[in-house]
Amino acid sequence: GEDVEQSLFLSVREGDSSVINCTYTDSSSTYLYWYKQEPGAGLQLLTYIFSNMDMKQDQRLTVLLNKKDKHLSLRIADTQTGDSAIYFCAVAGFQKLVFGTGTRLLVSP
Amino acid sequence: DVKVTQSSRYLVKRTGEKVFLECVQDMDHENMFWYRQDPGLGLRLIYFSYDVKMKEKGDIPEGYSVSREKKERFSLILESASTNQTSMYLCASSLEVGLAVTGELFFGEGSRLTVL
Repeated sequence: GEDVEQSLFLSVREGDSSVINCTYTDSSSTYLYWYKQEPGAGLQLLTYIFSNMDMKQDQRLTVLLNKKDKHLSLRIADTQTGDSAIYFCAVAGFQKLVFGTGTRLLVSP
Repeated sequence: DVKVTQSSRYLVKRTGEKVFLECVQDMDHENMFWYRQDPGLGLRLIYFSYDVKMKEKGDIPEGYSVSREKKERFSLILESASTNQTSMYLCASSLEVGLAVTGELFFGEGSRLTVL
């Protein structure tokens, strides 16, 4: 089945850029997503990218997709303490979304 | 706003007890899902349902069952709870045409289950 991998932790200082990486195995996925989970809460959709796109920008968020390497990344510019959360990459498979292991982002002042 | 409500935020049960986790969504969504979340393992799909009375096994269905008698309600049942089922359980719903998942999943806040 589909396998989605992420590094577990990332620590940055406030104001720096954060880059969260994700690799996946199923190249037929049409949509790829980033979800955010704040402490004590469920997941919320942050952004998504269609598989025929290389890049998508949404305010401080930039999603890059390298289909050849099956690599997805999320860049957060000017990271704030409020961005501290767990970030999940997810790819659309048949009948379901497959989620990565999640990356815990810690932003220090 | 779409709302997915999980009835219990925190539960403590004993080994062998029967456990019911309830989930209700208010947006007439077709698809509903149960995931469990464990540190380092991410979210793993237990069961999902794309219609009333329909259910499909996910990646880790063993030890669980589900019930979907009404469109808005999807229940996860642990027939005989075990300590390795201690976890965070997340319910989600989505509105999709057919069986392909191409859109947004809306999640509840989660139910943290501890089995002693």
